[in-house]
Amino acid sequence: RKEVEQDPGPFNVPEGATVAFNCTYSNSASQSFFWYRQDCRKEPKLLMSVYSSGNEDGRFTAQLNRASQYISLLIRDSKLSDSATYLCYSSYKLIFGSGTRLLVRP
Amino acid sequence: DAGVIQSPRHEVTEMGQEVTLRCKPISGHNSLFWYRQTMMRGLELLIYFNNNVPIDDSGMPEDRFSAKMPNASFSTLKIQPSEPRDSAVYFCASSFADPPQYFGPGTRLTVT
Repeated sequence: RKEVEQDPGPFNVPEGATVAFNCTYSNSASQSFFWYRQDCRKEPKLLMSVYSSGNEDGRFTAQLNRASQYISLLIRDSKLSDSATYLCYSSYKLIFGSGTRLLVRP
Repeated sequence: DAGVIQSPRHEVTEMGQEVTLRCKPISGHNSLFWYRQTMMRGLELLIYFNNNVPIDDSGMPEDRFSAKMPNASFSTLKIQPSEPRDSAVYFCASSFADPPQYFGPGTRLTVT
């Protein structure tokens, strides 16, 4: 089993929709998690940190569920510009998930 | 600040040749990461430096790969000899600590 796993998608949603992605991790020693976004043929960009108490930044909310060993990213009121691949990152072994592709359609 | 700078942006070389990728991190950052990205394997950590010292090089594939950070403003990743399976996008990233905060634009390497 991979250390960090994501559903590759794509998630195809209309503008204005709410969409959520999960990322599961296998090692309970993992402590810190982050979400990145990567546009096609571009470098990854750090999006936000993930805390057990939740972390909200505008339309984006990140959450950590230690009991079930997964993190989530919720995007409300999706915009066309949100179309990208979203990567989860675990500070344990400095590894990235394979990414979930989001397509927001008009 | 210009951000993380990588060169070259594109490299095409023949199997067996030596390839050197270069990275200039953001001034003041003390952590530098080299990642490789392919469709099949995603983003893989190659090596992580902190204060110019390699901390985790467990991702370096084999002896053909070597990385150096002679000072806080420069790092190189060398592949010798290169093989077609080394074809990938190589990213350098820098930050004050984990996680990698800013990535460079990447070097797209094609080995024929």
